[in-house]
Amino acid sequence: DVKVTQSSRYLVKRTGEKVFLECVQDMDHENMFWYRQDPGLGLRLIYFSYDVKMKEKGDIPEGYSVSREKKERFSLILESASTNQTSMYLCASSWFVGDEQYFGPGTRLTVT
Amino acid sequence: QKEVEQDPGPLSVPEGAIVSLNCTYSNSAFQYFMWYRQYSRKGPELLMYTYSSGNKEDGRFTAQVDKSSKYISLFIRDSQPSDSATYLCAMSAESSARQLTFGSGTQLTVLP
Repeated sequence: DVKVTQSSRYLVKRTGEKVFLECVQDMDHENMFWYRQDPGLGLRLIYFSYDVKMKEKGDIPEGYSVSREKKERFSLILESASTNQTSMYLCASSWFVGDEQYFGPGTRLTVT
Repeated sequence: QKEVEQDPGPLSVPEGAIVSLNCTYSNSAFQYFMWYRQYSRKGPELLMYTYSSGNKEDGRFTAQVDKSSKYISLFIRDSQPSDSATYLCAMSAESSARQLTFGSGTQLTVLP
């Protein structure tokens, strides 16, 4: 069974703080993704990575950066958290092109 | 106009009803079509996966793809309260590499 884990289920941070969200997958997947999910807007891709140290911007990369130093781990970084980054953050991984993605349980981040 | 449109609902049906969930899309290059189910406070999980046009059945669930109309459907027969969740359609084109485009999700409640 594929397992994708995320470091926190709930997180509360203050405006201006640096925030790290971590994701680990145990299936040796090449591709990893970070999304945010907001009511009425669905899932929006922030960044994805198709290999170690490789990354590509998704639809809404502004205000975020990522790091993939090891194949199994993909981190999302909010350099200076803002209230409009309050959201549910979902990590996912997959094997191949167009393949199904396996999701983690999500991190609900609140920035006050 | 969004690339993938999905009626957000909410949709409420009595137990045992047949449920029809739909998505329309504008990108004729989409080849891979998926349905995800997301329970409250959880990450999405893959329910159905189809390639190109046609039908696919799995137990009480049937996925249909009509590429000529750019329309996909998920049917749930004999719906159960445990089917209460948000259903997300997702699709990708070969040329888009590793990205899926998601609908915004339909919230379904099956009443006992």
